[in-house]
Amino acid sequence: SQKIEQNSEALNIQEGKTATLTCNYTNYSPAYLQWYRQDPGRGPVFLLLIRENEKEKRKERLKVTFDTTLKQSLFHITASQPADSATYLCALDNYGQNFVFGPGTRLSVLP
Amino acid sequence: KAGVTQTPRYLIKTRGQQVTLSCSPISGHRSVSWYQQTPGQGLQFLFEYFSETQRNKGNFPGRFSGRQFSNSRSEMNVSTLELGDSALYLCASSLGTESVSGNQPQHFGDGTRLSIL
Repeated sequence: SQKIEQNSEALNIQEGKTATLTCNYTNYSPAYLQWYRQDPGRGPVFLLLIRENEKEKRKERLKVTFDTTLKQSLFHITASQPADSATYLCALDNYGQNFVFGPGTRLSVLP
Repeated sequence: KAGVTQTPRYLIKTRGQQVTLSCSPISGHRSVSWYQQTPGQGLQFLFEYFSETQRNKGNFPGRFSGRQFSNSRSEMNVSTLELGDSALYLCASSLGTESVSGNQPQHFGDGTRLSIL
């Protein structure tokens, strides 16, 4: 059956450290994978998109990797700040039909 | 540029009633998708509209329906409400193309929180 998993429901890290979030999928072959941030009571906000033929994508303190062999994407936030605390969702395109979202990881950056 | 606007923000209904939710996409965006978000199931795809046509549909019963108008604004309707329909309903817009593509960021509204009593 098809499945998307994100490493843990919650992740606590110390301010200044690098946060690494994992997105694993089964029985999908996405051409694209996206990452979103969601704050309580708000809709998700788009952060980064990576294509299947790209290994890595960066935007300021954010970095995403995409390994189609491992069927995994890693999302890194370097020099994390308390303002980075939020839920992070990965989403992959389902054969161009629609987006399928992972369950999310709630990140807390402790001062 | 104004973002995606969803109305109302909060709604309380009772079982058996029906409800209509509204979404105004970002100007120039032609694709509108609807999602249901619950703590147990996460974010689940309901349907997507492009140029007034439903292009894709998720695995939801026929009580869930939608439509898109010529100005790209969209509405979704839920009939015969059940307790399990309590959720945050999110609308997302993207530029959209004639062929469905997963390479476009989706821009979400802040949702309508629907509570069924």
